[in-house]
Amino acid sequence: DARVTQTPRDKVTEMGQEVTMRCQPILGHNTVFWYRQTMMQGLELLAYFRNRAPLDDSGMPKDRFSAEMPDATLATLKIQPSEPRDSAVYFCASGSSRDRNNEQFFGPGTRLTVL
Amino acid sequence: QKEVEQNSGPLSVPEGAIASLNCTYSDRVSQSFFWYRQYSGKSPELIMSIYSNGDKEDGRFTAQLNKASQYVSLLIRDSQPSDSATYLCAVNNYGGATNKLIFGTGTLLAVQP
Repeated sequence: DARVTQTPRDKVTEMGQEVTMRCQPILGHNTVFWYRQTMMQGLELLAYFRNRAPLDDSGMPKDRFSAEMPDATLATLKIQPSEPRDSAVYFCASGSSRDRNNEQFFGPGTRLTVL
Repeated sequence: QKEVEQNSGPLSVPEGAIASLNCTYSDRVSQSFFWYRQYSGKSPELIMSIYSNGDKEDGRFTAQLNKASQYVSLLIRDSQPSDSATYLCAVNNYGGATNKLIFGTGTLLAVQP
């Protein structure tokens, strides 16, 4: 598919619950990025994978967030336990490390609300 | 100093005018530069990329890069109300060693009919 897909598109949950967000990168892309966007902080990089290996997760709160790529067509971002301050839009983007231009293409995002 | 800086705006221009959006970056080894457009409630959409000094034109959009001044801009000619959005500047700040991009906070453009 020529688009990045993300599920769910919207998620409302209560504090303390586990949240799992999923991303399917563009077919053939081998780099995946997870971003979080809020009004206050803008677009923040949480994690970055290349060929399914995590290369950088320095932007991610380690105590509650985890990111994985079980296979080349699926990336997941989990929050456990979730907190109200995690409310944001989470975007997945994909690209190709073979593309020296470093272009990234974004999915539609998951809007997370933690009550 | 932020790595990528943009004026948050809003930048208001009349329909048909040229909108000029500016971005400065701090890392001299940056090699790739991008403009994304983000409509309210939507995801960022890549609209322009530029890698060499000078101008790059695509339809009504022109990206300009000046590496000596560490400055990249986006010109939108014949602005339309449908161009009203937030424009994000992004820079590959690592000399190409990684694929990561650093984003500015965006400039809100409002095109008045």
